[in-house]
Amino acid sequence: GENVEQHPSTLSVQEGDSAVIKCTYSDSASNYFPWYKQELGKRPQLIIDIRSNVGEKKDQRIAVTLNKTAKHFSLHITETQPEDSAVYFCAARRASSASKIIFGSGTRLSIRP
Amino acid sequence: GAVVSQHPSWVICKSGTSVKIECRSLDFQATTMFWYRQFPKQSLMLMATSNEGSKATYEQGVEKDKFLINHASLTLSTLTVTSAHPEDSSFYICSARDLASGGSYNEQFFGPGTRLTVL
Repeated sequence: GENVEQHPSTLSVQEGDSAVIKCTYSDSASNYFPWYKQELGKRPQLIIDIRSNVGEKKDQRIAVTLNKTAKHFSLHITETQPEDSAVYFCAARRASSASKIIFGSGTRLSIRP
Repeated sequence: GAVVSQHPSWVICKSGTSVKIECRSLDFQATTMFWYRQFPKQSLMLMATSNEGSKATYEQGVEKDKFLINHASLTLSTLTVTSAHPEDSSFYICSARDLASGGSYNEQFFGPGTRLTVL
């Protein structure tokens, strides 16, 4: 069945350094890849997404890359700040009206001051 | 962005009772809503897809008789945990998509979640 694998499960970086989270997906029909940030006890918040016809997308300190051939996509956060500490989830979905999102297992990112 | 609300935000109940959780799309219509369960320090696991006016589609391993889903209107879906037991204690999150915007790549908006504790 559909599966999204995410690594690492935990990540600790020095404030100001970069953080990279990697995901792979199994469903070759997936063509929409959102990333979510979830703080403790809160709802997931979409931080960036990428469609399959695009290889890279950037929004300020956040960028996402997609390698559709290899079924890999990654989240890059540069110049990390304390408020970036949270759990990040990658996800994959087919672009149809009722298609479900399949989440990765999550990465707990900690920013060391 | 669009707003999805959930009620209640938390509930504590005795084992054997039933609990109803409401999910509402406040400023858009949602023909499809999704129900997730999240255990501590784990990912969101899709339980079922709720379709307005028809039966929900449950994921493998989710008991449809235990987790009753009703999607009676374009803005409201309910999840009822029947005969709840301590192992049902979890964070339940709903989400909905605003099909009127963004085409097939439209964003999925999440509710704030409901923390269920079964004693």
